[in-house]
Amino acid sequence: KQEVTQIPAALSVPEGENLVLNCSFTDSAIYNLQWFRQDPGKGLTSLLLIQSSQREQTSGRLNASLDKSSGRSTLYIAASQPGDSATYLCAVPGSGTYKYIFGTGTRLKVLA
Amino acid sequence: GAVVSQHPSWVICKSGTSVKIECRSLDFQATTMFWYRQFPKQSLMLMATSNEGSKATYEQGVEKDKFLINHASLTLSTLTVTSAHPEDSSFYICSAPARQTYEQYFGPGTRLTVT
Repeated sequence: KQEVTQIPAALSVPEGENLVLNCSFTDSAIYNLQWFRQDPGKGLTSLLLIQSSQREQTSGRLNASLDKSSGRSTLYIAASQPGDSATYLCAVPGSGTYKYIFGTGTRLKVLA
Repeated sequence: GAVVSQHPSWVICKSGTSVKIECRSLDFQATTMFWYRQFPKQSLMLMATSNEGSKATYEQGVEKDKFLINHASLTLSTLTVTSAHPEDSSFYICSAPARQTYEQYFGPGTRLTVT
């Protein structure tokens, strides 16, 4: 059974710092991995999708890597800004399926 | 990218009544859709898989007679919360996967409050 864990659970940093958010999963037989952002009381905003054949994806200040063999993904946020404050979720398909299992989330607060 | 809509965005109902939530794929067809539930300060939990033209499949611990799912067309799935109770108050989100990449497109969510 696929299980997804995110570390740290919460993070508070001053503006301008570079950040690394971690996601680990137990079943490496996945089609893809997706990172999302969720603002309080809102829905999900897709940030990056990494296909199983890829090792990383970049979008602006965001870079996500995928290491299937070790069951890990990292989301790197460069030069953090207060507007980056949100909960970040990673999701991978469940074992043998493509329905998503979500991680526990990392609550990020960037201080001005 | 593909767009998924949900209606209503929020609803308040009295205990014992039923509430229907719609999930639509606006510019693509979805033979499968997924329904998630999110309690405050928690992550999303998969409730069920909605299958066009056949019965939904439910995750362990989810009552199929309480959460009725209908997927009558390739662009519409509905979730009906029957005999709602305050503990059903939650944020309900649907998603639909792209056929080639399996990337999930999520609706904006529906906040249900049962009084």
